[in-house]
Amino acid sequence: QLQLQESGPGLVKPSETLSLTCTVSGGSISSSNYYWGWIRQPPGKGLEWIGSIYYSGSTYYNPSLKSRVTISVDTSKNQFSLKLSSVTAADTAVYYCTSTTDYGDLDYWGQGTLVTVSS
Amino acid sequence: AIRMTQSPSSFSASTGDRVTITCRASQDISNYLAWYQQKPGKAPKLLIYAASTLQSGVPSRFSGSGSGTDFTLTISCLQSEDFATYYCQQSYSYPRSFGQGTKLEIK
Repeated sequence: QLQLQESGPGLVKPSETLSLTCTVSGGSISSSNYYWGWIRQPPGKGLEWIGSIYYSGSTYYNPSLKSRVTISVDTSKNQFSLKLSSVTAADTAVYYCTSTTDYGDLDYWGQGTLVTVSS
Repeated sequence: AIRMTQSPSSFSASTGDRVTITCRASQDISNYLAWYQQKPGKAPKLLIYAASTLQSGVPSRFSGSGSGTDFTLTISCLQSEDFATYYCQQSYSYPRSFGQGTKLEIK
């Protein structure tokens, strides 16, 4: 059974870059059975899809964030990462990393990490 | 982008009730529809995928149906642990999208 764990700073200053890492255990991040993604949830609001990365390295991003977001994989560490540049207060949210099946459903989730954008 | 609309946004029910939540897609998504349950302070949990397939370990009182643009999540006999917020999500195309959520509260 997969386990995912987010890590990274809980506080980021406006205009800086938010960087989070998701460590995967219980399976290989190179497996063709899964692909990987990030979801966020502003306090008291709904879920927003950020983007996904396939084992081939192909990426898909939310158009509303596309110019600011990068998702990458580090197979040597069994991790994948999220970078979101030029953050504002509107980027304050709980960020979740997920595994995604071939059907596109999100079957495993990290516990989530709150990132606050504030000076 | 495909827009997902859930109804109702919130409602109250009692344990033992049968409840149905609806999710409508702005275009045909075949059966590329998943349902999640989220409790306060916790990550969402996958309940149903491919519109009607129950995720392993999920109680059989949960069921899903629909295809195309209209989908439903039914809880046949509400238990106390079912009071939560429910989200639908389409995986037919990018960008992926979620419904706005349905908060199920105790009456």
